[in-house]
Amino acid sequence: QITLKESGPTLVRPTQTLTLTCTFSGFSLTASGVGVGWIRQPPGKALEWLALIHWDDDRRYSPSLKSRLTITKDTSKNQVVLTMTNMDPVDTATYYCVHTAGGYYVFDYWGQGTLVTVSS
Amino acid sequence: SYELTQPPSVSVSPGQTVSITCSGDKLGDKYACWYQQKPGQSPVLVIYQDSKRPSGIPERFSGSNSGNTATLTISGTQAMDEADYYCQAWDSGTSPYVFGTGTKVTVL
Repeated sequence: QITLKESGPTLVRPTQTLTLTCTFSGFSLTASGVGVGWIRQPPGKALEWLALIHWDDDRRYSPSLKSRLTITKDTSKNQVVLTMTNMDPVDTATYYCVHTAGGYYVFDYWGQGTLVTVSS
Repeated sequence: SYELTQPPSVSVSPGQTVSITCSGDKLGDKYACWYQQKPGQSPVLVIYQDSKRPSGIPERFSGSNSGNTATLTISGTQAMDEADYYCQAWDSGTSPYVFGTGTKVTVL
């Protein structure tokens, strides 16, 4: 059974750096074709893909946010970490951790999401 | 950057069929998938590779993709299908994972 769970601060001040951790189980991020990524959703708005890290350490980022994002993995801990610098109130959103595999380019498992509010 | 456009909302009567469109340049040349999101919940994959259903997804959900438009069809719509639906495609360009603008399906 594949599960993913996001953790991190619920409130971040403007200009601060956000660090989110995804802890997963039921699969290995060393298996060929597997990836873990992040997607966010501002309140009442659409989904937005942020970043993805693959089993072979290949990393992809949203072009519009690339300069602010870093995604890393710790396979020994079954964790993926996303950092986003220079947070702004427009970054207020629910952040989801997601799983992808098999070369289908879809997100077949999602975490429950964590709401991050950016406010002074 | 690649963009996918959906109608903001559609409505359907219980038991009827509803179709949701997703438009993008040469979308038919890519694989499209669809997610269902109910209020307060995480999205759930309901269609992948244009028309395949993951395990556990009812047969009333079907998909197609041709030209510039992918379509999600719900046949015999039930009250439980009321939700937001998002299309998504993979593009080999600079932003590989693109989501549509989302469609709210209301079952009247």
